[in-house]
Amino acid sequence: KAGVTQTPRYLIKTRGQQVTLSCSPISGHRSVSWYQQTPGQGLQFLFEYFSETQRNKGNFPGRFSGRQFSNSRSEMNVSTLELGDSALYLCASSERTGYNEKLFFGSGTQLSVL
Amino acid sequence: DQQVKQNSPSLSVQEGRISILNCDYTNSMFDYFLWYKKYPAEGPTFLISISSIKDKNEDGRFTVFLNKSAKHLSLHIVPSQPGDSAVYFCAASGLTANSKLTFGKGITLSVRP
Repeated sequence: KAGVTQTPRYLIKTRGQQVTLSCSPISGHRSVSWYQQTPGQGLQFLFEYFSETQRNKGNFPGRFSGRQFSNSRSEMNVSTLELGDSALYLCASSERTGYNEKLFFGSGTQLSVL
Repeated sequence: DQQVKQNSPSLSVQEGRISILNCDYTNSMFDYFLWYKKYPAEGPTFLISISSIKDKNEDGRFTVFLNKSAKHLSLHIVPSQPGDSAVYFCAASGLTANSKLTFGKGITLSVRP
């Protein structure tokens, strides 16, 4: 099976712009989660989608949004980019949603905001 | 407020010796704990997990110990190998359907040949 695929791998944007990141989960996986990784904060949970519904949301401002399509692919959008949004954005998929589901991560999208 | 704490940012050990990576948590509702390993330019990969009903779980060279009363867990790698050099994240979750994984900041392990 192919792993979790995230596109693009690298992205450079300027402040005030918006960006859309894409994630294709492992075939058969219906849950997709998004995490932000920064050197000082580790991995911080953004949100989780399961069967096109947002099931859980982290403590991020409303500029961060996401959605999931019927084929389980997911997109994450960040509007009005700020310098502090520069980070590695990781997508993870699992077969089901739940506390003990093993997450499979993609390689991430490295976003740089100038 | 960091609910999962990995207070040591880095650890360096000699090949063949034991690596002990520590993790503390503050949320008493956490009942399931995992370790993930991350190499540069790759996403984290699952390593080992433990539920609160156990105090130890082994998988080959990797053993996780859980001390619920101290809200502390540790990952032991024996023997350590150069290929183990990576960032290790501790993560925790509560026992509810809507519970999310909360990660620590990670520990960079370097295994010297």
